[in-house]
Amino acid sequence: EIVLTQSPDFQSVTPKEKVTITCRAGQSIGSNLHWYQQKPDQSPKLLVRFASRSVSGVPSRFRGSGSGTDFTLTINSLEAEDAATYYCHQSSSLPLTFGGGTKVEIK
Amino acid sequence: QVQLQESGPGLVKPSQTLSLTCSVSGASLSSAHYFWSWIRQHPGGGLEWIGYISFSGTTYYNPSLKSRLTISVDMSKNQFSLNLSSVTAADTAVYFCASYSTGNFDYWGQGTLVTVSS
Repeated sequence: EIVLTQSPDFQSVTPKEKVTITCRAGQSIGSNLHWYQQKPDQSPKLLVRFASRSVSGVPSRFRGSGSGTDFTLTINSLEAEDAATYYCHQSSSLPLTFGGGTKVEIK
Repeated sequence: QVQLQESGPGLVKPSQTLSLTCSVSGASLSSAHYFWSWIRQHPGGGLEWIGYISFSGTTYYNPSLKSRLTISVDMSKNQFSLNLSSVTAADTAVYFCASYSTGNFDYWGQGTLVTVSS
């Protein structure tokens, strides 16, 4: 099983600041890493596909990067509506796994 | 637009079987484009992939649940189902159904809370 380790667990950020969330895989997964946003009492929503590919309808301030074992989700100029928990997910091998999540709070 | 909706009991007794159904609209379960998936989220916790089923009926289960798990499809109703046997309090979670395509969970149901308690 491929373990995904996210950091930090929690981040409190002022609007318009930049947010950086990292996800480290226990072994190389190429670009098979995806990011989701989950707001309270909602289902997760796909933000970034295959490490850096954009998803239709997702604001351009959400950017993904990385490959192999180290990946980053960057939120440029955070907005109040971005308060949520963010998860990475790998599709490189079964069982599919998720990171533990990063909760982003707006100050 | 693909839409998914979970249904089933919100309360299950320990040692019994948890059974949920996911109704799909906007896509056919016979489509080779998707794997039909179940994911759960323990209270205050992260996401755990349970398993999925392909259009041909082939299943792939998380090894941690495999011995207790069955995922099946009813093409006539465009629904797929989850059965998890011998449940304990550790199976209390929000259960989501989702479509899985080209590496992503692209459409999700709203989720349903299942509590295991006597």
